[in-house]
Amino acid sequence: AQSVTQLGSHVSVSEGALVLLRCNYSSSVPPYLFWYVQYPNQGLQLLLKYTTGATLVKGINGFEAEFKKSETSFHLTKPSAHMSDAAEYFCAVTATGNQFYFGTGTSLTVIP
Amino acid sequence: GAVVSQHPSRVICKSGTSVKIECRSLDFQATTMFWYRQFPKQSLMLMATSNEGSKATYEQGVEKDKFLINHASLTLSTLTVTSAHPEDSSFYICSAGLAGRNNEQFFGPGTRLTVL
Repeated sequence: AQSVTQLGSHVSVSEGALVLLRCNYSSSVPPYLFWYVQYPNQGLQLLLKYTTGATLVKGINGFEAEFKKSETSFHLTKPSAHMSDAAEYFCAVTATGNQFYFGTGTSLTVIP
Repeated sequence: GAVVSQHPSRVICKSGTSVKIECRSLDFQATTMFWYRQFPKQSLMLMATSNEGSKATYEQGVEKDKFLINHASLTLSTLTVTSAHPEDSSFYICSAGLAGRNNEQFFGPGTRLTVL
């Protein structure tokens, strides 16, 4: 079985500051890991994903995440926050592609 | 590529009526589609997995007679909320899988259902 824990339901950063959103997962098999962003009243947009290979994954809008098997983590980072980054972020894990398990989400606020 | 649409984007209905939500894969064939429900400020909860040409598989606690799912073609799945009540008000999101895309799911824009 798989599960995801996102530490911090709300994160606030100043514009231009580092963004760090935490995600830890549990999986009995090698996982596929995803980060999605959701803007109000919209669906989910894929930011990045880890399947196999390089553990540092780069995504859209300057985001990246590193898969650390030893820490069972897949934290999302961005060096410099922009106002347009304010949104809800979801980490998800799957083993089969059928059952996706989502974290409870982290709301990112960017302070001007 | 791999675009998923939903229709309608918003619907308001009276209690007791039924509402149908469509989920379409626009530029690919999806043998499997998924329906999620999202309450305000909460995560997505999988309601059911829809396979083309067969009965949907519902998650525990989801009433199959209330949330009817039909996957009649490789590009269309529908969710019908029957005899809707205010507690069914929610954001419904569908997704579709694409073979060969490393277990990725592509999400629709969602449908906001409000039951008065």
